[in-house]
Amino acid sequence: DTEVTQTPKHLVMGMTNKKSLKCEQHMGHRAMYWYKQKAKKPPELMFVYSYEKLSINESVPSRFSPECPNSSLLNLHLHALQPEDSALYLCASSQDYRGQETQYFGPGTRLLVL
Amino acid sequence: QKEVEQNSGPLSVPEGAIASLNCTYSDRGSQSFFWYRQYSGKSPELIMFIYSNGDKEDGRFTAQLNKASQYVSLLIRDSQPSDSATYLCAVNRAGRRALTFGSGTRLQVQP
Repeated sequence: DTEVTQTPKHLVMGMTNKKSLKCEQHMGHRAMYWYKQKAKKPPELMFVYSYEKLSINESVPSRFSPECPNSSLLNLHLHALQPEDSALYLCASSQDYRGQETQYFGPGTRLLVL
Repeated sequence: QKEVEQNSGPLSVPEGAIASLNCTYSDRGSQSFFWYRQYSGKSPELIMFIYSNGDKEDGRFTAQLNKASQYVSLLIRDSQPSDSATYLCAVNRAGRRALTFGSGTRLQVQP
């Protein structure tokens, strides 16, 4: 089973709202990722968690706040977003075997910021 | 120079033909290489991964890696209209857990 689930599938929020994106995997993977993808562009890395610790933050604005409550769950808390933050937000996970890691993506959350 | 480069396409092939997708990368320390397929509005789906020089075959798909030339390719045999999608090449650089993606090649298979 190589399934990564994400909720919600779609989200519309105003610039003053607070919302959270959720990601879950039950493959025993120890690394989890958040990517952002704009239309007709490749995914861009935002955050990496390894063994529930934040290991990479790609200089993402503080209005995006990641959280890894346990090895199966990854959240992305959103606050005071801008319209340019509208994008497809992708979660991925991997075994965390250094150098040969295959990442599996969830279906994504399509976010629209009004 | 981009870290991972792909021709954006569209690459148009007739149904039943071989589609050849190419990717070059700049970091010689890169260790693992992936091809993802992405349909419009969907998330990337893993098609192939390859770690060693040479060819790796899986069904209609063959990945080819040449580390000396810093080149990785994906061949799709007997192309079907359902193969029409954007194909993303991704590279895992040594010492860095995250993937670096190319900009993707859009493949169109004409019935």
